[in-house]
Amino acid sequence: AQSVSQHNHHVILSEAASLELGCNYSYGGTVNLFWYVQYPGQHLQLLLKYFSGDPLVKGIKGFEAEFIKSKFSFNLRKPSVQWSDTAEYFCAVNSLMNTGFQKLVFGTGTRLLVSP
Amino acid sequence: DGGITQSPKYLFRKEGQNVTLSCEQNLNHDAMYWYRQDPGQGLRLIYYSQIVNDFQKGDIAEGYSVSREKKESFPLTVTSAQKNPTAFYLCASSRAVYYEQYFGPGTRLTVT
Repeated sequence: AQSVSQHNHHVILSEAASLELGCNYSYGGTVNLFWYVQYPGQHLQLLLKYFSGDPLVKGIKGFEAEFIKSKFSFNLRKPSVQWSDTAEYFCAVNSLMNTGFQKLVFGTGTRLLVSP
Repeated sequence: DGGITQSPKYLFRKEGQNVTLSCEQNLNHDAMYWYRQDPGQGLRLIYYSQIVNDFQKGDIAEGYSVSREKKESFPLTVTSAQKNPTAFYLCASSRAVYYEQYFGPGTRLTVT
């Protein structure tokens, strides 16, 4: 079964530092990849997605992610973080179930704390 | 405003009682989902529904039940058979199963 690994569980950065959060998935083939963010007290919301095409995907709030098929990775990056980026970040990848349904498999999340 | 609403935000129940969590969407989405979020475990799929009057078990369906009588509504019942029901429950919807999912604000259920 498809699985997603987010190796950094907690990350602490100062404002203006660069960010890279790792995400690796286990199965190859055609994949749809997502990064979701959960700001304190808010809904889980989509940050960016990759379905096909350019492997460098740009999302909201200056985030981007690069799909590297050979490494089964979809790392999230931001060149300069802000205090408002403090949140929990989840990587997700689609996975085919026995029923033929494509479900999303989520990583365990990375809590990012940005200090002012 | 289009979106997903879940109520209530916090719910407290005694062990042995069934409890129903509400999820409503006005996005005209066909697919709806229920997830459970526990600290350090990410989101796990409980049930999903691709269309009205149809739903399927996810990875952790035991002790839960759902219905999908209307397109906009997908309530989740946490039954007394669920051994560890205290958790944060998230409802989501998508245009269809291959599209990105939109999430509600969640319901935090505490069972004592």
